[in-house]
Amino acid sequence: SAVISQKPSRDICQRGTSLTIQCQVDSQVTMMFWYRQQPGQSLTLIATANQGSEATYESGFVIDKFPISRPNLTFSTLTVSNLSPEDSSIYLCSVENYGGRKDTQYFGPGTRLTVL
Amino acid sequence: GENVEQHPSTLSVQEGDSAVIKCTYSDSASNYFPWYKQELGKRPQLIIDIRSNVGEKKDQRIAVTLNKTAKHFSLHITETQPEDSAVYFCAPGGSNYKLTFGKGTLLTVNP
Repeated sequence: SAVISQKPSRDICQRGTSLTIQCQVDSQVTMMFWYRQQPGQSLTLIATANQGSEATYESGFVIDKFPISRPNLTFSTLTVSNLSPEDSSIYLCSVENYGGRKDTQYFGPGTRLTVL
Repeated sequence: GENVEQHPSTLSVQEGDSAVIKCTYSDSASNYFPWYKQELGKRPQLIIDIRSNVGEKKDQRIAVTLNKTAKHFSLHITETQPEDSAVYFCAPGGSNYKLTFGKGTLLTVNP
């Protein structure tokens, strides 16, 4: 399966600041996704990141709060802006079509964010 | 959008027993049906998936069955072991490559 890394693995941030999370995969992929998983909950899709185009956001998520970059086919970043305690969560990236497996998504290890 | 329901939310079995988790979905355009296993503090791991042109798929102790007419698919785990204890998520997907995750089933296998 895919080798995916995320940085940082965890962070503690102050209210009002921002955190940028990096996601790196070891092979080129078409689509990358960003999810949020609150403690004890399921995964909620934030946005889809395609190289060369703007990210597509799900209902309830906006670009000003969650700007995303996708500069190439192996890398993406998610920024969580103007942090509040409600943003405390695990943020996961995933990749699709790794090794030609259409539709299948593989996940990074996640970034645990705590906002004080 | 896709509505996904997963049952049961918790399941406790004795080691060696079988476990079945069911997932129902609403979008008839869904054509990809994976199951993920997430251990505490770990990332979701794909354990088995099936596509809409197949009714059943088996991989050792794990199987997935699909009833596209009724819009549900199920995860079957036989001869359960303590290491099967985890949260299991169904995540049906459609032609837009997006997956919609169910709320999860906490499976506990008691030795």
